[in-house]
Amino acid sequence: GAGVSQSPSNKVTEKGKDVELRCDPISGHTALYWYRQSLGQGLEFLIYFQGNSAPDKSGLPSDRFSAERTGGSVSTLTIQRTQQEDSAVYLCASSFGAQPGNTIYFGEGSWLTVV
Amino acid sequence: RKEVEQDPGPFNVPEGATVAFNCTYSNSASQSFFWYRQDCRKEPKLLMSVYSSGNEDGRFTAQLNRASQYISLLIRDSKLSDSATYLCVVTASGGYNKLIFGAGTRLAVHP
Repeated sequence: GAGVSQSPSNKVTEKGKDVELRCDPISGHTALYWYRQSLGQGLEFLIYFQGNSAPDKSGLPSDRFSAERTGGSVSTLTIQRTQQEDSAVYLCASSFGAQPGNTIYFGEGSWLTVV
Repeated sequence: RKEVEQDPGPFNVPEGATVAFNCTYSNSASQSFFWYRQDCRKEPKLLMSVYSSGNEDGRFTAQLNRASQYISLLIRDSKLSDSATYLCVVTASGGYNKLIFGAGTRLAVHP
């Protein structure tokens, strides 16, 4: 499809394990975002990539969280030594550019459960 | 204080009712404003942008008051299919499209 693609759609992992979540943005979109949404909560900004600029990592909750975007396209969010409070849906989004007002399109999310 | 605050609801209304949601934001430098809709266990989708002059899209009307840092959404003639969570969204300062989301207001329309 032509939308934002995320994988895996669901992941159950044991506490202390590392997980990788993948995002494939819409073709041609230069801006890519990761958000997190815990049950019953709003979306929490994690990180933003725009072209070759340095990413805005200001939302990453701890140094266990990191993200890369290779070749200006696919992005991977890595959570090391997962904790139960990391359980949430991780939403990736992309937009054509970074200007305020450009429509942002979300993927369906990766639902992470840490047991 | 949260950057974007909304009444969490839920708002339970009958079909055909008019319902209004309010939202306040704390960053006076925010440049763009939106309402997103999120269905249960689905991703958020853009409902409409919000402009100072007010804008309307069918049964939906959005208003922005920059002086009061206040955003509203009015839904007329509610349909069962309007049942969802409505997210108030503003862009952060900094000149790029970083969206700050409110926690959402849940709407349940019943027959």
